[in-house]
Amino acid sequence: EPEVTQTPSHQVTQMGQEVILRCVPISNHLYFYWYRQILGQKVEFLVSFYNNEISEKSEIFDDQFSVERPDGSNFTLKIRSTKLEDSAMYFCATQGTGELFFGEGSRLTVL
Amino acid sequence: KNEVEQSPQNLTAQEGEFITINCSYSVGISALHWLQQHPGGGIVSLFMLSSGKKKHGRLIATINIQEKHSSLHITASHPRDSAVYICAVAKTSYDKVIFGPGTSLSVIP
Repeated sequence: EPEVTQTPSHQVTQMGQEVILRCVPISNHLYFYWYRQILGQKVEFLVSFYNNEISEKSEIFDDQFSVERPDGSNFTLKIRSTKLEDSAMYFCATQGTGELFFGEGSRLTVL
Repeated sequence: KNEVEQSPQNLTAQEGEFITINCSYSVGISALHWLQQHPGGGIVSLFMLSSGKKKHGRLIATINIQEKHSSLHITASHPRDSAVYICAVAKTSYDKVIFGPGTSLSVIP
């Protein structure tokens, strides 16, 4: 069964530090997404990525966030200067012919 | 108003019971997804629907496009079905999905 792999599974960081979350999508998928879930809340959309560029981003995805696919395989989410409110579970998702595949998530804790 | 609503919010069932979780949405969609979120947080796709009905094992999902409503049924529920079940919709193909609030299911032996 194909799977989406995310690293790290858990990261603890100090406020103001940069964080990079990594995702290895399923190899023939072309559409990539980042979502986040603050503890106790529903999952929210951050950004979608297709053909090496952002196709849509939410209001949450401000200048502190960026995404890239640096080597044609990994898909990364960078938070430049973390805030306390960035503490959440971050999910990478990919889509091929329709079905969505999610990674196990990266839990980010900002102290 | 939330674009995707689910009911009930929480559900406790005895092992073996038939379970129904409902989802209603207020926007035009190209697809509706039923997802399962494990206690550890990981999300697994159960179904993607654009019309009709799908069945996988003890799970059945239906959708009524005209009424903007979908249901997820679990037959012969088991404690291992305990999880959060999430309905999510996509307005167009390959669009982001809009998540519902989830239904927390607990199946007691």
